[in-house]
Amino acid sequence: AQKITQTQPGMFVQEKEAVTLDCTYDTSDQSYGLFWYKQPSSGEMIFLIYQGSYDEQNATEGRYSLNFQKARKSANLVISASQLGDSAMYFCAMREGPGGNKLTFGTGTQLKVEL
Amino acid sequence: SAVISQKPSRDICQRGTSLTIQCQVDSQVTMMFWYRQQPGQSLTLIATANQGSEATYESGFVIDKFPISRPNLTFSTLTVSNMSPEDSSIYLCSARTGDTGELFFGEGSRLTVL
Repeated sequence: AQKITQTQPGMFVQEKEAVTLDCTYDTSDQSYGLFWYKQPSSGEMIFLIYQGSYDEQNATEGRYSLNFQKARKSANLVISASQLGDSAMYFCAMREGPGGNKLTFGTGTQLKVEL
Repeated sequence: SAVISQKPSRDICQRGTSLTIQCQVDSQVTMMFWYRQQPGQSLTLIATANQGSEATYESGFVIDKFPISRPNLTFSTLTVSNMSPEDSSIYLCSARTGDTGELFFGEGSRLTVL
């Protein structure tokens, strides 16, 4: 079974609108971490936001927020006020266990922001 | 956060040759990792670079093909040995800082093997 599932291979959004990128995960661990990364066409991986499994509040970083629904095992990324520079591939990832180091990545969602 | 620099950023290599990628972090980090991203694919962990000892490889990756060094807390190298076109990928160095769990990546090294 997939540990990280991103069901949207591609998404379009109008500039200045909000967009939600979906991510569901599967783990039996009680302690885990969820990450979102942005990968522009240049190839670098840019860390966006992190949510720990024991964090009671949803993580926020500027225009990025993570809608964490633990019972549903979902960790959707919300980008508010989209900008043209947000066009990129977005990856959801999970780190399992309190001492775990390995990140398991989803297949990614290609976001295109349009005028 | 940590700033991670990789060299080379891209290269075109001939089949059968080897290439070493360098990764430099601007601060001491607890853990360093190497990932591979094949064209159109997601990231796969190759190995954990251990300071002063042999790297820990994931299933499907072996030391003879991907030797890794980590002589200190801020530097690591990955060598892709005896390259074939199937090794054409982006190779990314990453580092974990402290206990927060955040994992930062370098800008990647895009290798094309002809």
